[in-house]
Amino acid sequence: LAKTTQPISMDSYEGQEVNITCSHNNIATNDYITWYQQFPSQGPRFIIQGYKTKVTNEVASLFIPADRKSSTLSLPRVSLSDTAVYYCLVGDLTGKLIFGQGTTLQVKP
Amino acid sequence: KAGVTQTPRYLIKTRGQQVTLSCSPISGHRSVSWYQQTPGQGLQFLFEYFSETQRNKGNFPGRFSGRQFSNSRSEMNVSTLELGDSALYLCASSLALGGESYEQYFGPGTRLTVT
Repeated sequence: LAKTTQPISMDSYEGQEVNITCSHNNIATNDYITWYQQFPSQGPRFIIQGYKTKVTNEVASLFIPADRKSSTLSLPRVSLSDTAVYYCLVGDLTGKLIFGQGTTLQVKP
Repeated sequence: KAGVTQTPRYLIKTRGQQVTLSCSPISGHRSVSWYQQTPGQGLQFLFEYFSETQRNKGNFPGRFSGRQFSNSRSEMNVSTLELGDSALYLCASSLALGGESYEQYFGPGTRLTVT
């Protein structure tokens, strides 16, 4: 399973777009990139998953360059309720999630 | 549709005791995974069950064990508790055994405190 590197923390303001980049230099051909969100004292919540190029859902967008050695989670117009820890995971869908330290996003008014 | 439920939500045990935690997955989900979350180590994978069989296992000692029943409900057991076992234990369910998605649905967790 490829190791991921993310910033430990980020600050933003309400209404701004937030981009969190994750590095995964050793990503394998069959690996997918998945992002989870976790609020204090709650279990993580699936946000988005992708393999290449761009994926968008009602919550976020995921940008993956051609070499797939990094990915960027984009959260449009964040609000205070988006304050959470965001995890980037890379794996081959064998069902075993390996979480890194995540990025703590603090959204300020 | 009801989410993943875990019982109990909070538990206090003393060193040397054993504990059993329970997880009921979302209806129709056949895969159940368990994770341990601590401030120091973060979220760590314990094991995954599918159709009553353990399919994946993390790097935890044999004191940590689990099982899955025919209705997909799962239990995990920790024997001879140590202070370091104090953690939030999370259960997650998914439709299939990996293969198509990493989308797992997590429960609220059981907060275990070992004194």
